[in-house]
Amino acid sequence: NAGVTQTPKFQVLKTGQSMTLQCAQDMNHNSMYWYRQDPGMGLRLIYYSASEGTTDKGEVPNGYNVSRLNKREFSLRLESAAPSQTSVYFCASTPGQQLLLAGYTFGSGTRLTVV
Amino acid sequence: GDSVTQMEGPVTLSEEAFLTINCTYTATGYPSLFWYVQYPGEGLQLLLKATKADDKGSNKGFEATYRKETTSFHLEKGSVQVSDSAVYFCALSDSGGYNKLIFGAGTRLAVHP
Repeated sequence: NAGVTQTPKFQVLKTGQSMTLQCAQDMNHNSMYWYRQDPGMGLRLIYYSASEGTTDKGEVPNGYNVSRLNKREFSLRLESAAPSQTSVYFCASTPGQQLLLAGYTFGSGTRLTVV
Repeated sequence: GDSVTQMEGPVTLSEEAFLTINCTYTATGYPSLFWYVQYPGEGLQLLLKATKADDKGSNKGFEATYRKETTSFHLEKGSVQVSDSAVYFCALSDSGGYNKLIFGAGTRLAVHP
């Protein structure tokens, strides 16, 4: 099925460890996004990529880096994980020019726990 | 900056009850407004949207009207079902562009038989 695929679905890290969350979409979308979801705070934008080859900071970028590897893939890296980064991470994509029509397509999320 | 405020949950209803989830927003310009739904263990799905004042978005029996005068986009359903149990997020398109969405905190709905 066409959509947004995130891996892994679950991960437990120790403080200071690094990891990369993977995201791929097969809908030929131009724009991709990483959000984190925390109880009582909704979704907050970490980084986004308006188009292939570009990335920009969102609301809460500290402690993260991203790579838009190609049009399909947008990865999120935690260089030195901290307990404050315990969260559920969602990747999303949109065609770019049709947000008003299509909205976002979300992946199913990665639940990350940092101990 | 732009922001979205939703009523706190959880909202607990009996099946066939009337549902209202309040959403108000602060924005410069003229944002588009969205409702997303998240079922347990899943990502968010677009439920409905409205792109200009007085537009009514509707889907699966849910409705919301874009009220510019009250800066609101309240979600309503006349008769909820157990299968509507989920978390509902109100969102607006960021006036800063690049197709960014700003989400509210979410409202959990629990419907009991």
